[in-house]
Parts: sequence; structure tokens; C-alpha cells
Amino acid sequence: GDSVTQMEGPVTLSEEAFLTINCTYTATGYPSLFWYVQYPGEGLQLLLKATKADDKGSNKGFEATYRKETTSFHLEKGSVQVSDSAVYFCALSNTGNQFYFGTGTSLTVIP
Amino acid sequence: EAGVTQSPTHLIKTRGQQVTLRCSPISGHTSVYWYQQALGLGLQFLLWYDEGEERNRGNFPPRFSGRQFPNYSSELNVNALELEDSALYLCASSSWFSPTDTQYFGPGTRLTVL
Repeated sequence: GDSVTQMEGPVTLSEEAFLTINCTYTATGYPSLFWYVQYPGEGLQLLLKATKADDKGSNKGFEATYRKETTSFHLEKGSVQVSDSAVYFCALSNTGNQFYFGTGTSLTVIP
Repeated sequence: EAGVTQSPTHLIKTRGQQVTLRCSPISGHTSVYWYQQALGLGLQFLLWYDEGEERNRGNFPPRFSGRQFPNYSSELNVNALELEDSALYLCASSSWFSPTDTQYFGPGTRLTVL
């Protein structure tokens, strides 16, 4: 069945460091891919998405490229800030309205 | 435009009790999803409702149930509460127009079972 595997955390970075959170997926057909962010005490917010191969989603300095050949959708940011501290979830949606979420990666950015 | 709303924000119950959580989707959205997020775990899919019908459910016992009303709002009911039901319960909605498009999440209901 469809599934998402993302890099386990927690991840701790210094401010202005480069961030990569790995995400790979297993799916039939052509799923859409998402990154969601959950700030402490809140629900999930959509960060970015890509709906077809080679699409790049971007928002707030974060980027991820839909790579069908490697079944990946890695999240990157060139310079993280303290305010980026949160839990990040990779997800896919496929036919049948079903969303599949990864287990989440906790990021802490220290000044 | 109002986002997904959930009530109550927090809830404390004791083992064996029953609880009802409520969710109102974004206007125009017909699909509602329920997830359980226990401490230290990812999102576990519970239930999906669309057009008033249960379309799919995750690997949870029957004491987890729900329904969707004609205005597309939804309730999640949990009977015979157990300690491990303590979690953040998240509701999400999506559009009929593009159901595999983005799910929009509410702030969640924090349930504590003592």
C-alpha cells in the first residue's frame, strides 16, 4: 500500500544552518506530495506541496522537489531561524482521497 | 474565510467514560477526516466522512465512531475511554472539487484520560 517514510528526529541546528529533512514514498500511480508543519500546541499547517513529477513546492524559504525517479520529496531550507522550530510532516495523497503521513521530524533551532 | 474549527479545545475524562468531539469544516468542503496524534507518535488516521457517509476508517476499535451532518460538520465519539486514548485529536477537511488536494487542519482537541 501507499506509505511515507521520513527521517527520524529530533534534529537540532544552529540558527542560519542548512536544513534537509528526507522523505521517501511508496505509491501507485501519481500521488500529490505535501509538507505540513506543526508548531508547539497547534494543529498542522500546509507548508508546501507538489502535484506532479519535477514540480518544486516552495514557501517561507522552504523548498521540496518531487522526484519520481528516486520517489523522494526532501525538504530543504538554506538558513533556518529559531522560529522554524516545529515538527515537520511529509504526506502523500492518492486516488481515493486517502492521505498518508510520515511520523514527523522534530526540528529545534538554537540561537 | 474561516478555517476548520474544533471544540472543545481541551477535555479531561476518566476511564470508562464517553466523549464527543466536534469539527466544522471550511465552508464548501464536504470531506472531513479525523486523526489521532498520541504523544511521540505521528498522525494515525481514524475516519473519513464525505457527503454524510463513512468512506474509510483506520485501524481503530469500534468504540471509535462518528458521523457527519447535512451541513458537513462532524462528530467523533469515543466510548469506554482508556488511558491510551489520551491524545490530540485533529480534524481536517478538503474540497469536493479536488479531493486529493490539500487537507486543511483544525487546531485539535486535547483529550486527557485519567
